[in-house]
Amino acid sequence: AQTVTQSQPEMSVQEAETVTLSCTYDTSESDYYLFWYKQPPSRQMILVIRQEAYKQQNATENRFSVNFQKAAKSFSLKISDSQLGDAAMYFCAYRSPYAGGTSYGKLTFGQGTILTVHP
Amino acid sequence: GAVVSQHPSWVICKSGTSVKIECRSLDFQATTMFWYRQFPKQSLMLMATSNEGSKATYEQGVEKDKFLINHASLTLSTLTVTSAHPEDSSFYICSAPPLDRGRDGFGSGTRLTVV
Repeated sequence: AQTVTQSQPEMSVQEAETVTLSCTYDTSESDYYLFWYKQPPSRQMILVIRQEAYKQQNATENRFSVNFQKAAKSFSLKISDSQLGDAAMYFCAYRSPYAGGTSYGKLTFGQGTILTVHP
Repeated sequence: GAVVSQHPSWVICKSGTSVKIECRSLDFQATTMFWYRQFPKQSLMLMATSNEGSKATYEQGVEKDKFLINHASLTLSTLTVTSAHPEDSSFYICSAPPLDRGRDGFGSGTRLTVV
């Protein structure tokens, strides 16, 4: 079974600064998807960024970028120019590729990292 | 795309009663839906996978008779918490993977309080 580990329960950053959230995972699969989700106080899950394992290029979405190290099974999220609205709980998630049956699309989440942004 | 509607957003019920939570995919058909449970400041834990036209698949440790799941159509899955007890109080979230295997659609969650 796949596991996802976020070793930073809490992180803080000053507004406009950069912060990196860590994530490691364990899998025996060669093809998979990795995600970072944001969960603000409203608790709505918001997709921040997605990475396909077969792509070597790191995904970027505006101020958000990832450092995907497939061999090391590491998938960190960098938030640049942090804003007050970035404060939330962030989850790293793993998704198996389609395999039919009950494993299709199943997401495995890490423990989460609470990010605080100081003005 | 990938819009999922979940209702109710919050519910308070008495111990021993049952509560039904609905999850609808609004702009796509979902043959599969997932139900998660989340305690405060903790991760989302998968409870079960709902499959349209067949029985749900439950994760280890989840009581099938307590958490009844029905996937009545390609756009609706329901989770019924039967004989609820205070320890069932939690935040329940549904999600549906779209057929293009891309973006998952998450419901807005249901906060259940059993008194």
